[in-house]
Amino acid sequence: EDQVTQSPEALRLQEGESSSLNCSYTVSGLRGLFWYRQDPGKGPEFLFTLYSAGEEKEKERLKATLTKKESFLHITAPKPEDSATYLCAVQAPGGSNYKLTFGKGTLLTVNP
Amino acid sequence: NAGVMQNPRHLVRRRGQEARLRCSPMKGHSHVYWYRQLPEEGLKFMVYLQKENIIDESGMPKERFSAEFPKEGPSILRIQQVVRGDSAAYFCASSPRFEASEKLFFGSGTQLSVL
Repeated sequence: EDQVTQSPEALRLQEGESSSLNCSYTVSGLRGLFWYRQDPGKGPEFLFTLYSAGEEKEKERLKATLTKKESFLHITAPKPEDSATYLCAVQAPGGSNYKLTFGKGTLLTVNP
Repeated sequence: NAGVMQNPRHLVRRRGQEARLRCSPMKGHSHVYWYRQLPEEGLKFMVYLQKENIIDESGMPKERFSAEFPKEGPSILRIQQVVRGDSAAYFCASSPRFEASEKLFFGSGTQLSVL
């Protein structure tokens, strides 16, 4: 069974204090790894998709990287508006691109 | 362009009652997916529908749960004879086509509370 483990469960940073969130996965034949952002009372919002080890993607202060066993979401000089729960999900092979397996998320709080 | 619309946002039911959750996909999207987020758990896939067709319901509990996406109107997730364990956030997502790289657009969810 596909598994996704995110760490830490919660992370508190000061504004400007860079850090990384981890997503470890076990899946037989990764098709894609997704990062989503979820604000309180909202649905997940798509951030990135990574497909192969070594791939990197950036968006503003966020950078996602992928290895064969894990993915990192690096946050550079975060701002309070970056506070949210960050979700990692994997997509297994077999044509079921819609059937994502999500981790429990990392709750990020950025203090001003 | 309105996003994925779900209603109600909050739904309170007593044990044994029925719950109906509605989802209108984004304009131009013909694929709808339902996910459930139990307390302290990650989002879990329930069902994938296209207009008038259930494509994959492998994540749906075998009893009491059903889903439909009629030719006209929103997709409906129906839970009969609710129990306390059904309390969760139910999210609907949509996509315009079936591709491996297609990202999902999620609604804001319906929080179901069973008393």
